[in-house]
Amino acid sequence: GPKVLQIPSHQIIDMGQMVTLNCDPVSNHLYFYWYKQILGQQMEFLVNFYNGKVMEKSKLFKDQFSVERPDGSYFTLKIQPTALEDSAVYFCASSLWGESAETLYFGSGTRLTVL
Amino acid sequence: AQSVTQPDARVTVSEGASLQLRCKYSYSGTPYLFWYVQYPRQGLQLLLKYYSGDPVVQGVNGFEAEFSKSNSSFHLRKASVHWSDSAVYFCVLSYANSGTYQRFGTGTKLQVVP
Repeated sequence: GPKVLQIPSHQIIDMGQMVTLNCDPVSNHLYFYWYKQILGQQMEFLVNFYNGKVMEKSKLFKDQFSVERPDGSYFTLKIQPTALEDSAVYFCASSLWGESAETLYFGSGTRLTVL
Repeated sequence: AQSVTQPDARVTVSEGASLQLRCKYSYSGTPYLFWYVQYPRQGLQLLLKYYSGDPVVQGVNGFEAEFSKSNSSFHLRKASVHWSDSAVYFCVLSYANSGTYQRFGTGTKLQVVP
């Protein structure tokens, strides 16, 4: 089936540094999402993105967070500067039209450890 | 407000036994409901979804779910579980309101024991 790829699978950085998480969504999809998973279970919505713009973001999407997809390449989540509470697994997802009945396709996640 | 409740954080069942994972939603409009499964160190994968028609929907690997508007529920069932079903299961509500929104339940971790 359709694949979403996330690079890297694991990232360890020092608090205060910048980190960029990369996502290669399903090729013809138009809507992109980032989710944060904490304690191995709770899935928290961060942001969704369409046509170069943030469509919706949650309270967890702090000012230190930004997303972009320059020239149709990777969909990225940048955190600058990082904080200890940013340690989590971040999942990228994509869907074709962003409609309610559509399936979301998820990547395998990037485990971010902030020291 | 729109929300999804999965009351059981953890469920343990014996291999071969039947399974029901509970999901209740809160939404006044037409809900689109999904069950996703997350195997260890993987992303979420779709098991099944409901958006209209027959309230009982069939999914992959013998899973099914039943939508009940009167109970605002979308429980997941399987007649006979296998050890490979051990995973975290998420119930998700999707709806449209000047945009498309998803609300995730907190997940139920299923452990299948011999």
